[in-house]
Amino acid sequence: AQSVAQPEDQVNVAEGNPLTVKCTYSVSGNPYLFWYVQYPNRGLQFLLKYITGDNLVKGSYGFEAEFNKSQTSFHLKKPSALVSDSALYFCAVRDLPSNAGNNRKLIWGLGTSLAVNP
Amino acid sequence: DAGVIQSPRHEVTEMGQEVTLRCKPISGHNSLFWYRQTMMRGLELLIYFNNNVPIDDSGMPEDRFSAKMPNASFSTLKIQPSEPRDSAVYFCASSLSSSGKGRREETQYFGPGTRLLVL
Repeated sequence: AQSVAQPEDQVNVAEGNPLTVKCTYSVSGNPYLFWYVQYPNRGLQFLLKYITGDNLVKGSYGFEAEFNKSQTSFHLKKPSALVSDSALYFCAVRDLPSNAGNNRKLIWGLGTSLAVNP
Repeated sequence: DAGVIQSPRHEVTEMGQEVTLRCKPISGHNSLFWYRQTMMRGLELLIYFNNNVPIDDSGMPEDRFSAKMPNASFSTLKIQPSEPRDSAVYFCASSLSSSGKGRREETQYFGPGTRLLVL
């Protein structure tokens, strides 16, 4: 069965330190992987995605994520956290079996709350 | 670029009343998604459309919920009758689905959401 796991409900990091938000997935085919961020009382904003190619993907606001096929992971990273990065982060995956047809559903993680302390 | 537009942004209603949420997707996008977000259940996909046709409504909670997409630029999600457990934030998202074989590259873009409170 397809699934996404964000093993940490909350991540705390000091401003200026590197941050990592973890995501692991399980799909039957080759995955599309996405990270979104949600600020309080706002909709989800797209950060970055992995489709194919380089395993290290760079996205908005200085974020990047590394696709690791052997570990089925797609962890979100940033070298130096800002207080303004405090938000809820969602990982999502889309499975593309050979008979993809009209399947455009994303499987979503439960979210990780990131708190960056001044 | 207006992005996905949702209305109303906030809705407070009494149990039993009909609620209609509206969404205007990004111009040129051909897939539209309705989500519900609650603290208890997280983000749930209710239904999605491709080229105005409902493709998967398996996430619609029950018959009280219905969604329509009469044209490429407008969709509604209706709850009738509403119940307190329907209180949530409802998001609409749209994407551009490429046609043909091979991997489809699609990013969903979300609206600001409608915060619904049913008393």
